[in-house]
Amino acid sequence: SQQGEEDPQALSIQEGENATMNCSYKTSINNLQWYRQNSGRGLVHLILIRSNEREKHSGRLRVTLDTSKKSSSLLITASRAADTASYFCASDEKLTFGTGTRLTIIP
Amino acid sequence: NAGVTQTPKFQVLKTGQSMTLQCAQDMNHNSMYWYRQDPGMGLRLIYYSASEGTTDKGEVPNGYNVSRLNKREFSLRLESAAPSQTSVYFCASCDWGPNTDTQYFGPGTRLTVL
Repeated sequence: SQQGEEDPQALSIQEGENATMNCSYKTSINNLQWYRQNSGRGLVHLILIRSNEREKHSGRLRVTLDTSKKSSSLLITASRAADTASYFCASDEKLTFGTGTRLTIIP
Repeated sequence: NAGVTQTPKFQVLKTGQSMTLQCAQDMNHNSMYWYRQDPGMGLRLIYYSASEGTTDKGEVPNGYNVSRLNKREFSLRLESAAPSQTSVYFCASCDWGPNTDTQYFGPGTRLTVL
């Protein structure tokens, strides 16, 4: 069974708005990563957050981790059309992935 | 520095045929992985290798075998292909450590089994 589950499955927002995606996982982790995948393309690593970190920033990305709730969130601020993609979370060294959130940015 | 390379990019097999998917990385990473991604789905781990000489099963290992030939190369073999193995296969590598924040993926191999 998959370790991570993203929520929502699909999200559509206007360009310029913020997008928030959530990820829940089942067992204890050492780290959690977020990836982006454009349609028909490979995966691009976005950010890794370790179990002893609560928040991490990278450009327009902000990731939080709540180990007590076994959940993480990815916030993309000031969204752009180029952010349209599927976003996945993956946990630990085995990189077990969830099913993804399909984000559509409406120009 | 090519990163993670996979061959072939595309392959069509008939049911029962065998083939090996090749993966190589030039970043001196210890860990390597094979995933499959079915349409509209996330990635599922088939096998992984934490270091040269070791391999372990992931979520969906049935129907596959792997070989960690050396530190650079990690191959995935389908001994008798089935239509259910039609998928896109991704190889990845990384090195886990206190300063590691990135994993690298290959471009994928699109496999169709007829």
